[in-house]
Amino acid sequence: QSVLTQPPSASGTPGQRVTISCSGSSSNIGSNYVYWYKQVPGTAPKLLMYRNNQRPSGVPDRFSGSKSGTSASLAISGLRSEDEADYYCAAWDDSLNGVVFGGGTKLTVL
Amino acid sequence: EVQLVESGGGLVKPGGSLRLSCAASGFTFSSHGMNWVRQAPGKGLEWVSSVSYSGRTIFYADSVRGRFTISRDNAKNSLYLQMNSLRVEDTAVYYCARDEDNWNFDYWGQGTLVTVSP
Repeated sequence: QSVLTQPPSASGTPGQRVTISCSGSSSNIGSNYVYWYKQVPGTAPKLLMYRNNQRPSGVPDRFSGSKSGTSASLAISGLRSEDEADYYCAAWDDSLNGVVFGGGTKLTVL
Repeated sequence: EVQLVESGGGLVKPGGSLRLSCAASGFTFSSHGMNWVRQAPGKGLEWVSSVSYSGRTIFYADSVRGRFTISRDNAKNSLYLQMNSLRVEDTAVYYCARDEDNWNFDYWGQGTLVTVSP
């Protein structure tokens, strides 16, 4: 059972907009930055979003992040086949004194 | 170009030990905190441990505290994870990850597989 809660799966057709949610608590998302990682199976994770809504260079502006209270979300617009991957949210947890990850969301592009 | 290359994984019996290494290049290693993150087969990501840029501040996940020891050698641009009293549930791919700031893991290695099996 992960400290941060994500839906196990999400899907959309090319060109659609999809949103992946990440729910936490006051000790993690509620008081710290949220990060998002993309992982294509068999490869290492890649940073997708930092400090809630900042995109690293090279990440298209189709990706956006937001945070409100103890929840965060990642939105992907103009869905493309290469977006098919596992997506993880993460945050520092003040109570656990460690980084906590969501269980991951498998995004399928239909 | 930032590169992180893990090594030291392998097959070990329960109760055994293993030492993982992560060789860093392409950036000023001594200026960044470093982390180990693992992923069990078919499962999600699990943070394992972190060490500050100086080595003075260290954190562990509850699941490994008392069994694993993280360390770094800034002169050798290397990160280590000494794993003792290994359990079957420690089987995973172990990634080292650079911390840009505030737990921002901006670069990851390719991972090294640790298999703990009788």
